[in-house]
Amino acid sequence: GDSVTQMEGPVTLSEEAFLTINCTYTATGYPSLFWYVQYPGEGLQLLLKATKADDKGSNKGFEATYRKETTSFHLEKGSVQVSDSAVYFCALRNAGNNRKLIWGLGTSLAVNP
Amino acid sequence: ETGVTQTPRHLVMGMTNKKSLKCEQHLGHNAMYWYKQSAKKPLELMFVYNFKEQTENNSVPSRFSPECPNSSHLFLHLHTLQPEDSALYLCASSQGGTGINNEQFFGPGTRLTVL
Repeated sequence: GDSVTQMEGPVTLSEEAFLTINCTYTATGYPSLFWYVQYPGEGLQLLLKATKADDKGSNKGFEATYRKETTSFHLEKGSVQVSDSAVYFCALRNAGNNRKLIWGLGTSLAVNP
Repeated sequence: ETGVTQTPRHLVMGMTNKKSLKCEQHLGHNAMYWYKQSAKKPLELMFVYNFKEQTENNSVPSRFSPECPNSSHLFLHLHTLQPEDSALYLCASSQGGTGINNEQFFGPGTRLTVL
């Protein structure tokens, strides 16, 4: 079945460092891919998405490119801030899987000043 | 503010108690969801309601009983829970049913502890 694999955390960075959180997926067909963010004490928020191969989703300085050849959707940010400390979830949604969101385990990011 | 509210935010209950979780969405959506978030596990979809009709029940034990009286409100009734049911319970909603690109908006969750 469909699945999402994220790099294990926690990830600890200094402010202004470059961030990469790896996400790879297994799916039949052409899923849509998502990154969600969960700030402490809050629910999940959609950060960005991509619906077809080579699409780049971007928001708040974060980017991820849908790479079908490597089945990846890695999240990147050029310069992280303390306020980016959160848990990041990669997910996919596939018409062939009853449109359910399939989630990764989440990657915790801590940014130190 | 996400437009999806959940109450209570924290709940501690004994195994013999009966309690209910409430979710309300102010976004005019037609689909609502219950998820369970446990440490070291992927988010687990529990129930889906689409236009007030339950369209999905992912083999959830009967000690969890959902109720959707209208498109804006969703409840999760709890009774005779087990300690392993302790988790963060998240409610979400989406527009226009469960289409593949319909964004789900999440509430802040209810942190449930079963003693």
